[in-house]
Amino acid sequence: AQSVTQLGSHVSVSEGALVLLRCNYSSSVPPYLFWYVQYPNQGLQLLLKYTTGATLVKGINGFEAEFKKSETSFHLTKPSAHMSDAAEYFCAVSAVTGGGNKLTFGTGTQLKVEL
Amino acid sequence: EAGVTQSPTHLIKTRGQQATLRCSPISGHTSVYWYQQALGLGLQFLLWYDEGEERNRGNFPPRFSGRQFPNYSSELNVNALELEDSALYLCASSLGGGPNTGELFFGEGSRLTVL
Repeated sequence: AQSVTQLGSHVSVSEGALVLLRCNYSSSVPPYLFWYVQYPNQGLQLLLKYTTGATLVKGINGFEAEFKKSETSFHLTKPSAHMSDAAEYFCAVSAVTGGGNKLTFGTGTQLKVEL
Repeated sequence: EAGVTQSPTHLIKTRGQQATLRCSPISGHTSVYWYQQALGLGLQFLLWYDEGEERNRGNFPPRFSGRQFPNYSSELNVNALELEDSALYLCASSLGGGPNTGELFFGEGSRLTVL
């Protein structure tokens, strides 16, 4: 079984400040890890993913995340927040084994960016 | 290239009625996934179809059902609607079956309101 825990359902940062959204996962098999973003009234868009290889993953819009197996974490960061980053962010995990791309999502973190 | 398309965008029903939601995957994708996004509950996996077959099912009652057509489009049916079925229903597609490769491509969702 797999699960994802996102710490903090709401995070507020100032424009230009560091963004840190936390994600911890549980998986009995090597995981694939994802961050998706959802803007209001839209579907989900992939920000970045970790499958294998380099543990520091760079995504779109200046976001990056680091896979830390020892901490079972996959936190999302961005050095400098922009107003356009305000959205809901979802961390997700899927199993390396088995078929399909069924993802298990966290409950999401709403990011607010203030002037 | 067209993305995942869903219809209708909004649907209002009353308790006990049936709702039908439709999804067209990205061209070339054979897998379709359905997720329910209810307020405060994150994304809950509903169903996965691949090559016309139901491959996996989430923890939802049997009144949630669906099918996948030969052209890989899919439909989600919800019978005997209850108030708590009010949610955004997201469809996603990916390349077919086999080992997990990662990314899901999401549509913008169908918002179902049950009165």
